Amino acid sequence: AQSVSQHNHHVILSEAASLELGCNYSYGGTVNLFWYVQYPGQHLQLLLKYFSGDPLVKGIKGFEAEFIKSKFSFNLRKPSVQWSDTAEYFCAFLLSYNTDKLIFGTGTRLQVFP
Amino acid sequence: NAGVTQTPKFRILKIGQSMTLQCAQDMNHNYMYWYRQDPGMGLKLIYYSVGAGITDKGEVPNGYNVSRSTTEDFPLRLELAAPSQTSVYFCASSEWGLEGEQYFGPGTRLTVT
Repeated sequence: AQSVSQHNHHVILSEAASLELGCNYSYGGTVNLFWYVQYPGQHLQLLLKYFSGDPLVKGIKGFEAEFIKSKFSFNLRKPSVQWSDTAEYFCAFLLSYNTDKLIFGTGTRLQVFP
Repeated sequence: NAGVTQTPKFRILKIGQSMTLQCAQDMNHNYMYWYRQDPGMGLKLIYYSVGAGITDKGEVPNGYNVSRSTTEDFPLRLELAAPSQTSVYFCASSEWGLEGEQYFGPGTRLTVT
């Protein structure tokens, strides 16, 4: 069955540290990929998405993600985190042949300490 | 714009009770969705709608019903609540379906005891 794995369930960093959150999907065909973020007390919102083209995607607030097809991965990165990046991050993918099925990962909780 | 609103924010139900979770959006989006998120799990799609009068089942529809009489509203009905329906429920809308950005509501935390 298609699934998304987010290996890091809880990440704790100090401000200015670099961030990389892992996301791997299990599906051999074409996919569309997303990262969503939920800040404390706020709604889930889109951070970035990849459909085609340049595999390095830039999103809001300095985040970027790289699609590596050979590794079935779409890892989220930020070179220098801030306290305000404390949030829960969800990776998701959409099967290109079935646009009714968006599959979410279990989420990674990021805590950034000043 | 208020975006996507959900009521109530919290609710405790007894087994066998029924309730309706309300969802409304003011962005004139055709697509609306209901998800549930169980502890330690990703969001799973319950039902969705591609426009007023049209609804369809998602991945986990059992025990739920929906209706979409207007573009703005997409209520989720729980009949005969069961402990397995204890979860956080999110409503979302989008302009272009799942390929586009989804706008989420704040969620409803439901406990069935």
